[in-house]
Amino acid sequence: AQSVSQHNHHVILSEAASLELGCNYSYGGTVNLFWYVQYPGQHLQLLLKYFSGDPLVKGIKGFEAEFIKSKFSFNLRKPSVQWSDTAEYFCAVKGGYNKLIFGAGTRLAVHP
Amino acid sequence: GAGVSQSPSNKVTEKGKDVELRCDPISGHTALYWYRQRLGQGLEFLIYFQGNSAPDKSGLPSDRFSAERTGESVSTLTIQRTQQEDSAVYLCASSLRLAGRADTQYFGPGTRLTVL
Repeated sequence: AQSVSQHNHHVILSEAASLELGCNYSYGGTVNLFWYVQYPGQHLQLLLKYFSGDPLVKGIKGFEAEFIKSKFSFNLRKPSVQWSDTAEYFCAVKGGYNKLIFGAGTRLAVHP
Repeated sequence: GAGVSQSPSNKVTEKGKDVELRCDPISGHTALYWYRQRLGQGLEFLIYFQGNSAPDKSGLPSDRFSAERTGESVSTLTIQRTQQEDSAVYLCASSLRLAGRADTQYFGPGTRLTVL
C-alpha cells in the first residue's frame, strides 16, 4: 500500500538551529514528492517539489530537500531556522490517479 | 490571480443533518480534489475530478459522502446524515493537468466541520 511516514511529530528548536525533518515513502511507481507547509491560521502552501532530475531540490524560504531513491526518503532541511518557520510541515507523494498521499505532519516550534 | 476558495469557512451542525461544502477552483484548472484532515492527522484523499472524465471516488469513506462538479468549475461535497466522526477540516485543491506533464496541487483554506 502507498504510504508516507514522517518520523517526528513535534520538533522544538531555537532560532538559528539547523532543521531536518524525516520523510519516507512507500510507492512503486514514478515518484513525485512534495513538502507542504501550513503556517498558523493559514492554508496549506507548497514549499518544494521533486518531479525528476537533480535529487537536491531547493524551495522557498531557504528550504531544501533531498530525494534518496535507495532509502525511499525525501528529508526536508534548513540550515538556520527562524521564528517565522513555526508551522506544520507535511510530506506527500503523488499516488495513482494524481491523488496526493500525505504523512501525518510535523509540528515545528521555533523559539526566539 | 485568485486562489482556491472554499465556503463556508466554518460549519457547525447537529448529528444526522446533511451538509454541503463548496469549492471554487483556480480558473482554468481542470483537476479538482477533495481531502479531509482530522485533528492531529495528515490529509486523506476523498475524491478527484478531471475535466469531464468519471471522478475517482476511491477515497470516499462511506455512501453518505458524495461530490459533484459541473464542467471545470465549482464543486460541492455533500455529507448526508452527519456523524461525529465526520468532524474534520475539508480541503479542496485544484491543478492544471497538462497531458504528459507533472503538476502541482494548490489548496484552499478549508472548511472546518464540527458535528455535535
